[in-house]
Amino acid sequence: NAGVTQTPKFQVLKTGQSMTLQCAQDMNHEYMSWYRQDPGMGLRLIHYSVGAGITDQGEVPNGYNVSRSTTEDFPLRLLSAAPSQTSVYFCASSPGTAIEKLFFGSGTQLSVL
Amino acid sequence: QKEVEQDPGPLSVPEGAIVSLNCTYSNSAFQYFMWYRQYSRKGPELLMYTYSSGNKEDGRFTAQVDKSSKYISLFIRDSQPSDSATYLCAMSAVSGTYKYIFGTGTRLKVLA
Repeated sequence: NAGVTQTPKFQVLKTGQSMTLQCAQDMNHEYMSWYRQDPGMGLRLIHYSVGAGITDQGEVPNGYNVSRSTTEDFPLRLLSAAPSQTSVYFCASSPGTAIEKLFFGSGTQLSVL
Repeated sequence: QKEVEQDPGPLSVPEGAIVSLNCTYSNSAFQYFMWYRQYSRKGPELLMYTYSSGNKEDGRFTAQVDKSSKYISLFIRDSQPSDSATYLCAMSAVSGTYKYIFGTGTRLKVLA
């Protein structure tokens, strides 16, 4: 059972480039979400989804897009990367009946130069 | 002032010690409280989840909530080097949403 899988693990971008962070889960969880983790800031919610075809904004959505075409996948797109988006990104999922029990992926470390 | 405050540490203790990790919060509406453990270069994993006030025990771990003081604690008994990690508290006012507020985490080192 793989759980939540994130790719890539590391990425370096130049300012203005776009890219997609991939997230897949094999637990049939309804809820999926993206967080960023910055020193001294804690985990902050970017976007989340309560099921295929349904997404909503979190605390820090600007500069990011998401879509949810299947239950398993929830990619995060950076439209035009900025140095302020340098961070560690985590995807998390949870079963519909226990949303507080988040299962996290191992993270993507992103640097924007 | 942040809604959730957590001492970043690092906190260093000898093996076998009792560890106390704490968070304070300002929003009296918070009812759901969680502790996550995060090893270096890994994602957080849920350790404990409690609702409202009181204590909850799971093996060597005890979570305590004092809503009157807006203070939550995680106690680790007989600490082991494998407990060395960052511990994040998280809390929410409403169940069934993603409106969690995470603390910044406390880094714990248990020395063999």
